Amino acid sequence: AQSVTQLDSHVSVSEGTPVLLRCNYSSSYSPSLFWYVQHPNKGLQLLLKYTSAATLVKGINGFEAEFKKSETSFHLTKPSAHMSDAAEYFCVVSLTGRRALTFGSGTRLQVQP
Amino acid sequence: DTGVSQDPRHKITKRGQNVTFRCDPISEHNRLYWYRQTLGQGPEFLTYFQNEAQLEKSRLLSDRFSAERPKGSFSTLEIQRTEQGDSAMYLCASSPPGGGDVQYFGPGTRLTVT
Repeated sequence: AQSVTQLDSHVSVSEGTPVLLRCNYSSSYSPSLFWYVQHPNKGLQLLLKYTSAATLVKGINGFEAEFKKSETSFHLTKPSAHMSDAAEYFCVVSLTGRRALTFGSGTRLQVQP
Repeated sequence: DTGVSQDPRHKITKRGQNVTFRCDPISEHNRLYWYRQTLGQGPEFLTYFQNEAQLEKSRLLSDRFSAERPKGSFSTLEIQRTEQGDSAMYLCASSPPGGGDVQYFGPGTRLTVT
């Protein structure tokens, strides 16, 4: 079985400060891991993807995530938050050989001016 | 805009009515997926097509739900005898052949059952 747990339902940061969104996964096999972002009234957009080539994955808009197998974590970070980063973020896992994506429950990021 | 498109964007219906949603994937994407997202939750997988073949269905897809992709291009999702619990955002995604497991999502159809 596979699942993904997002440890915070809401995160609030000030503009210009670092962002950390936490995700833990469980999977019996080597998973593919993703972060997607959902802005209000817009479709889900892929931020980044991990597929075992490198443990530190760089994505769009300055985001990156580090895969830590020993901790079964895939946390998303950004050095400096921007107002436009305010959105819902989903950690997602895909089991090798299966097409279905399994989403976490999401973390709503608020960015204060 | 060459992304995934969905129609309608919003649908309000009365309980017991049938509704049908349409999804147009990105051109030449042979895989198409349907997900359902309820308020405050992440999307949940419903079903998956490769070309016109429906290869996987979730337990969430009750017998009131049916999805088709007759020519391997656009897809429709029909819900018969809608219930209030069907109120949700229905998301469509597509992926290209050989594209690994990255899925590209449409804007969704928001269904409200009154």
